[in-house]
Amino acid sequence: EAGVAQSPRYKIIEKRQSVAFWCNPISGHATLYWYQQILGQGPKLLIQFQNNGVVDDSQLPKDRFSAERLKGVDSTLKIQPAKLEDSAVYLCASSLEAGMIATNEKLFFGSGTQLSVL
Amino acid sequence: AQTVTQSQPEMSVQEAETVTLSCTYDTSESNYYLFWYKQPPSRQMILVIRQEAYKQQNATENRFSVNFQKAAKSFSLKISDSQLGDTAMYFCAFMVRFNKFYFGSGTKLNVKP
Repeated sequence: EAGVAQSPRYKIIEKRQSVAFWCNPISGHATLYWYQQILGQGPKLLIQFQNNGVVDDSQLPKDRFSAERLKGVDSTLKIQPAKLEDSAVYLCASSLEAGMIATNEKLFFGSGTQLSVL
Repeated sequence: AQTVTQSQPEMSVQEAETVTLSCTYDTSESNYYLFWYKQPPSRQMILVIRQEAYKQQNATENRFSVNFQKAAKSFSLKISDSQLGDTAMYFCAFMVRFNKFYFGSGTKLNVKP
């Protein structure tokens, strides 16, 4: 089966510019996640979607970050305006189930977008 | 609070030897699952091994096995017969209700020839 697709792979922008990342999860996966991974740290959840709805966006800096999941499939994460501290790898992941807690569940990750803000 | 602690930022091991990566976690949930993910330089996170918290038997996957101590909230990963391709960042994680995942800060493993 095809994996989680992300683009672009790399992006370099200047501070105060805007940027957008795209993610196409594995077909049929109900849950989609966006993580921010700063160099040397573990992934930090930005937003979690189940189908069309948002499950958790408590750590999304809503003054500059926005995300949407179109028709419960593809998703776009946008940063506007970008700050130096936004330099990180942005990982998209998906999982099959949507529910209280799914047995045999695991995350499938894309290759990420490495963002450098100058 | 839901937290994962990996106290070893970096480790080295000789090829063909055995290494153990430590992980402790904290959750108030009674039903959860534990994971080890590998992140090579290509950045794509790959599942190494998975453990259901309600199972006492430790999970194994070829050269990879875990030591799960539920009362101590400890979940270590043992890699036997280390190979150069095992060089990567390793992240410990757990999943609770609504498929929410929590990750540790990672351990960088360097396998030396």
